[in-house]
Amino acid sequence: NAGVTQTPKFRILKIGQSMTLQCAQDMNHNYMYWYRQDPGMGLKLIYYSVGAGITDKGEVPNGYNVSRSTTEDFPLRLELAAPSQTSVYFCASRTRGGVNEQFFGPGTRLTVL
Amino acid sequence: ILNVEQSPQSLHVQEGDSTNFTCSFPSSNFYALHWYRWETAKSPEALFVMTLNGDEKKKGRISATLNTKEGYSYLYIKGSQPEDSATYLCAFPNQGGKLIFGQGTELSVKP
Repeated sequence: NAGVTQTPKFRILKIGQSMTLQCAQDMNHNYMYWYRQDPGMGLKLIYYSVGAGITDKGEVPNGYNVSRSTTEDFPLRLELAAPSQTSVYFCASRTRGGVNEQFFGPGTRLTVL
Repeated sequence: ILNVEQSPQSLHVQEGDSTNFTCSFPSSNFYALHWYRWETAKSPEALFVMTLNGDEKKKGRISATLNTKEGYSYLYIKGSQPEDSATYLCAFPNQGGKLIFGQGTELSVKP
């Protein structure tokens, strides 16, 4: 199993550009998450999904959109990139049930100039 | 709004020192508490998932205890090594399927 994969690993965007961060998992996990890591702030939840076709906002959803058309994929879309979106983005997944650990992808480092 | 608090925010110890840090979480509606280890430039990895009051988990030199009635968990590292340097996160699952993370304790172990 590849686990949770994310692409790209690094990206530099200009203000106002759009991009999609890809996340895929091959563990048949129902739950998938997008986090951003800001210095000194730990992990902030952007969006999450409890299954295909179902998504919900986390703590910091503004400026982002997601979709979950399949169990495996959970892309994160930035429509109009802003410098405040410079961060490291982590995707994670887990099976149903609160006792189950989350598995994280390797992260995407995004810089908006 | 659920709050998960960790202390201290950062810790600097010498190689060989033993250390511990705290995670505080809401004691009502408890069903699990997660600990993750997050090395710089890597992704977080699960250390422990704890579910029972009084539970104690151990992995090598790292152990954790849980008190669900008072809402805290301790993580202990015995004889810290430089490779233990990382941020240690605790997380509390809520009923909506989300994990609420603490801000982490950043541990630095100097040789």
